[in-house]
Amino acid sequence: NAGVTQTPKFQVLKTGQSMTLQCAQDMNHEYMSWYRQDPGMGLRLIHYSVGAGITDQGEVPNGYNVSRSTTEDFPLRLLSAAPSQTSVYFCASSYSQGGGYTFGSGTRLTVV
Amino acid sequence: TQLLEQSPQFLSIQEGENLTVYCNSSSVFSSLQWYRQEPGEGPVLLVTVVTGGEVKKLKRLTFQFGDARKDSSLHITAAQPGDTGLYLCAGAEGVLPSIQGAQKLVFGQGTRLTINP
Repeated sequence: NAGVTQTPKFQVLKTGQSMTLQCAQDMNHEYMSWYRQDPGMGLRLIHYSVGAGITDQGEVPNGYNVSRSTTEDFPLRLLSAAPSQTSVYFCASSYSQGGGYTFGSGTRLTVV
Repeated sequence: TQLLEQSPQFLSIQEGENLTVYCNSSSVFSSLQWYRQEPGEGPVLLVTVVTGGEVKKLKRLTFQFGDARKDSSLHITAAQPGDTGLYLCAGAEGVLPSIQGAQKLVFGQGTRLTINP
């Protein structure tokens, strides 16, 4: 049972490039979320999903897109990378509303 | 989005001392969770509290949910160096009224705890 798998673990992008952060879970969880973590700011919600085909914006959605075509996968797409998007990104999933989330190990993204 | 304020943001104490970390909001949450995060890793769930006034114990850690479900505390007894880490509280709030029970999780800014040998 792998839990939540995020790839890549590290990435360096140039300003203006696009890329997709991958997230997959094998626990059949309905709820999935993307967070970014910056020093002194805890975790801020980017986008979340309550099931396949259902997504919504969180606190800081600008510059990011998501889709949820399957229960297992929840990719996060950066449309045109900016230095302000330098951060550590975490994907998380949960089996129920209000239930505890299982987090991936994160993707450390640097935009130069 | 409801806000969660954690205090203190930083805490450094000696091994064997007791400590309390607080998580406060002006709004009501349906449940509140505590996570611990080590450097280079994702947060790991410690506990979920659901009922106002609920107290849960996890070895030397005691978690309490306020009666009004607006605040929570984490108390560590006889802290050990292995307790060092970033402690995060997170509240579940309802979203998408058309989907009954759908919720999302919002986090406090965290308390960075250091236990010195």
